[in-house]
Amino acid sequence: EAGVTQFPSHSVIEKGQTVTLRCDPISGHDNLYWYRRVMGKEIKFLLHFVKESKQDESGMPNNRFLAERTGGTYSTLKVQPAELEDSGVYFCASSHSRSEQFFGPGTRLTVL
Amino acid sequence: DQQVKQNSPSLSVQEGRISILNCDYTNSMFDYFLWYKKYPAEGPTFLISISSIKDKNEDGRFTVFLNKSAKHLSLHIVPSQPGDSAVYFCAANLGNRDDKIIFGKGTRLHILP
Repeated sequence: EAGVTQFPSHSVIEKGQTVTLRCDPISGHDNLYWYRRVMGKEIKFLLHFVKESKQDESGMPNNRFLAERTGGTYSTLKVQPAELEDSGVYFCASSHSRSEQFFGPGTRLTVL
Repeated sequence: DQQVKQNSPSLSVQEGRISILNCDYTNSMFDYFLWYKKYPAEGPTFLISISSIKDKNEDGRFTVFLNKSAKHLSLHIVPSQPGDSAVYFCAANLGNRDDKIIFGKGTRLHILP
């Protein structure tokens, strides 16, 4: 069974540009989570989807971040416009029925 | 305002000896505590958990101890092996009320030959 996959693995963009990160959860997992780890800090929760609905988006930093999960399958996280402080590693995780969360390898975002 | 704290950024342990990773928390409402292991360029991988109603959980070489009165938990790895070298994250959640995971900053464990 394939694990959680994320694309791209790395992204380097300039301040003010737009970046879209993608997450493909484990097949059949209704729950999808986004987390972020900024350099030197802890991994922080961003939001939680149940199928295509946002269950909890309390961790989203501001309105420059937009997450979608059309059709309840893969999810995208768009940052527009990107700022320097958005640099970090963005992790996606999925779970079945609120059980163990399986994490993807992450997307390392660098904003110059 | 960190709710889960790992005060040791790194730890070095001789192969075959016991590794003890410590973690403190502030929120007495946490229902579950978890330990994740992370290798470079990979996502965190679940290792072991403990419910707030227990004080010990063991799985092979890994044992987690919970001291609720002190709001402290620890992960014991014995014996330590080279493949245990990784970053270990202590984490917690509110169980059925809210399953988002709250992580500590992590402790990098080096197993020395």
